[in-house]
Amino acid sequence: GESVGLHLPTLSVQEGDNSIINCAYSNSASDYFIWYKQESGKGPQFIIDIRSNMDKRQGQRVTVLLNKTVKHLSLQIAATQPGDSAVYFCAETSGSARQLTFGSGTQLTVLP
Amino acid sequence: EAGVVQSPRYKIIEKKQPVAFWCNPISGHNTLYWYRQNLGQGPELLIRYENEEAVDDSQLPKDRFSAERLKGVDSTLKIQPAELGDSAVYLCASSEAGAKYFGPGTRLLVL
Repeated sequence: GESVGLHLPTLSVQEGDNSIINCAYSNSASDYFIWYKQESGKGPQFIIDIRSNMDKRQGQRVTVLLNKTVKHLSLQIAATQPGDSAVYFCAETSGSARQLTFGSGTQLTVLP
Repeated sequence: EAGVVQSPRYKIIEKKQPVAFWCNPISGHNTLYWYRQNLGQGPELLIRYENEEAVDDSQLPKDRFSAERLKGVDSTLKIQPAELGDSAVYLCASSEAGAKYFGPGTRLLVL
């Protein structure tokens, strides 16, 4: 079946460095993608989204890149801070389905 | 602006007991979702409401799970009877168009 997966389960970066979290998806009909951040004991928090008619979108310290050719999504966090430590999920949905499919998550740890 | 509100935050029950979770979505959001999240995994959809209508409940285990959203605002999710495997975080989310916003979840432990 269709799935959304993450390349790496864990990622450790030094404070101040840039972080890149990758995600692969397999549903070619996916047209809307979201990155969520989930801290321990909390629900997923919306970070940034992107539609399939775009290949890049920037927010505050975050950038999402979409490569539809290889069905790959990435989240870049600039100047990573201790508060960025969390599990990051990519999620996708398609058209009118409105059902959000999540990957299994990447644990980002920011080292002092 | 208040986010999605859920209660209780934590619940511990013995197996075979009933349990209910409550969700108040973001004001004005017509679409409401219940998700279940197991440890170390992403959330999985249980049911989606458009206003008071359940439009996608294909993943809801209907033998023991039920949900309602009578007035198209608040929603409750019930499990009766609970089983050990139901231990998880139950997340409520709402959306108007596009991104879904999640509540803090209810962490359920079935003993």
